[in-house]
Amino acid sequence: NAGVTQTPKFQVLKTGQSMTLQCAQDMNHEYMSWYRQDPGMGLRLIHYSVGAGITDQGEVPNGYNVSRSTTEDFPLRLLSAAPSQTSVYFCASSYTNTGNTIYFGEGSWLTVV
Amino acid sequence: AQKITQTQPGMFVQEKEAVTLDCTYDTSDQSYGLFWYKQPSSGEMIFLIYQGSYDEQNATEGRYSLNFQKARKSANLVISASQLGDSAMYFCAMREDSNYQLIWGAGTKLIIKP
Repeated sequence: NAGVTQTPKFQVLKTGQSMTLQCAQDMNHEYMSWYRQDPGMGLRLIHYSVGAGITDQGEVPNGYNVSRSTTEDFPLRLLSAAPSQTSVYFCASSYTNTGNTIYFGEGSWLTVV
Repeated sequence: AQKITQTQPGMFVQEKEAVTLDCTYDTSDQSYGLFWYKQPSSGEMIFLIYQGSYDEQNATEGRYSLNFQKARKSANLVISASQLGDSAMYFCAMREDSNYQLIWGAGTKLIIKP
């Protein structure tokens, strides 16, 4: 049981490049979400999904796309990276959108230069 | 307006003492949940404790307890008998059941002194 797996753990991008952060969970969780954490701040919700084929925007969705073609996978795409997207990204999942326990991936450190 | 407020940016506590980390929240929902997470220097987010708005008893998980005062909209985390390994950032978060989005406070950096 791997839990929530995020890749890559570290990435450096040039401004304007695109990339995808991968997130997979093997717990059959319906609810998955992506957050970013900037220095000295709590997490902010980017996008979330309540099940395969269903996604919605969170607090800071601009510059990011998501898709949920399977229950297990929830990739986050940066369309044209900007220095303001330098952050730590966390993927999270829970059994339902009211789950009392939310599992987090280990985080992905992204630097845009 | 801030929905989750953690008023203590940093705290120093002597090992073996109890520590209370403050969290106040703002919501008009009747149904919501409150979470506490620990983030050590390695960066991962570790779930500590959960309190539902309709739970009448304060949640407890080992050395962690949540002092839930609904009328004051307060959900303080209490760590009993602190240990050096408790040194970390601690985040309070709220999920309003009207939109299921988790809203986070800015965190409190806790340092346990030997």
